[in-house]
Amino acid sequence: QVQLVQSGAEVKKPGASVKVSCKASGYIFTGYYIHWVRLAPGQGLEWMGWINPNNDDTYYARKFQGRVTMTSDTSISTAYMELSSDDTAVYYCARERDDILAFDMWGQGTMVTVSS
Amino acid sequence: SYELTQPSSVSVFPGQTARITCSGDILAKKYGRWFQQKPGQAPVLIIYKDNERPSGIPERFSGSTSGTTVTLTIIAARVEDEADYYCYSTADNKGVFGGGTKLTVL
Repeated sequence: QVQLVQSGAEVKKPGASVKVSCKASGYIFTGYYIHWVRLAPGQGLEWMGWINPNNDDTYYARKFQGRVTMTSDTSISTAYMELSSDDTAVYYCARERDDILAFDMWGQGTMVTVSS
Repeated sequence: SYELTQPSSVSVFPGQTARITCSGDILAKKYGRWFQQKPGQAPVLIIYKDNERPSGIPERFSGSTSGTTVTLTIIAARVEDEADYYCYSTADNKGVFGGGTKLTVL
């Protein structure tokens, strides 16, 4: 079945970067954009940006420009999000379906904790 | 502007109708979507293209639009509908979520 499986929880020190993976299965990986969304404690969902795995085009929210890099490896149907941030949050990947213009499938989320 | 405004909380009794609004200039020209998120879980799409419901989403969930506002309506709300609800839209390659509404079904 269609699913997105993300990498496990991470603990990182302030100033360090973190790289989260999102492995797709059950569909043609290059046929759908992957978006990244985060949820910080006590906050709401925050859209971070997207990558088109077909050609590696990306678009980042202004807040994250210069701090985030989204990549993909089509040989293993996996998208990556690397972020330099001191924000503790849960990071989600989500697949966007063109026909409904919405995220129809989400990863389970990856908890990133920043702690010295 | 690319901001979407939702009430922070809505409360209803079981069996009542809950309405959650989402306002923003981009909604006059772009579709609204709604996501439901329960604690510890990933968001789930419940409405797309303003008023379309994905398969598997109960009929008690519906969406509507008027001008710069989209509205999520839950008829005969159940205790299990208690969750955070987020509207979402896009413009010029950018995505934006509303601040989220905590629905309490007392």
